[in-house]
Amino acid sequence: EVQLQQSGPELEKPGASVKISCKASGYSFTGYNMNWVKQSNGKSLEWIGNIDPYYGGTSYNQKFKDKATLTVDKSSSTAYMQLKSLTSEDSAVYYCARTGTRALDYWGQGTSVTVSS
Amino acid sequence: DIQMTQSPASLSASVGETVTITCRPSGNIHNYLAWYQQKQGRSPQLLVYNAKTLADGVPSRFSGSGSGTQYSLKINSLQPEDFGTYYCQHFWTTPRTFGGGTKLEIK
Repeated sequence: EVQLQQSGPELEKPGASVKISCKASGYSFTGYNMNWVKQSNGKSLEWIGNIDPYYGGTSYNQKFKDKATLTVDKSSSTAYMQLKSLTSEDSAVYYCARTGTRALDYWGQGTSVTVSS
Repeated sequence: DIQMTQSPASLSASVGETVTITCRPSGNIHNYLAWYQQKQGRSPQLLVYNAKTLADGVPSRFSGSGSGTQYSLKINSLQPEDFGTYYCQHFWTTPRTFGGGTKLEIK
């Protein structure tokens, strides 16, 4: 069974950085790209970018290019997203999701990030 | 970037009715379109990919159609469990933009 298990909620101060994780199981981690998606306060979904776990290559939405950094640890089948210089605009739920056949076929449960002083 | 215009933003329908949600990309996405359902407090779930292929386990009352710059998700014989918010997403280029969502309420 494919599972994407994300790390727990984060509370950070403005200007800080946060790194959230997504541990994959039930499939070959290096065989599928991993995506990250932002959902602010019940609003729509924004595609942040994705990473090829095998080669480490990344593709970012220009909007998030200076905000997010995607990495993987193949040894633990875990994808990471670091968000830097946090502001209140970064408060959201962040999902990891696997690329299947031209769609995001499996999603993590989401990680809530709250930025507050 | 390709923008995805989804309509309606919300709708209310009764059990047994048929509803249609539309997604219009700002450019041709060559059927590289997915539909998702999200329930309150849950992660989105894949319903349809490649514009018309149902994901595993999705009931046959759901169907996707369209081409070029206009796509639709149709739900026949609406069931109570179909409430939630529906999103389209294209996979033609990056960024892989989502539509604004359609909130479906069951009367």
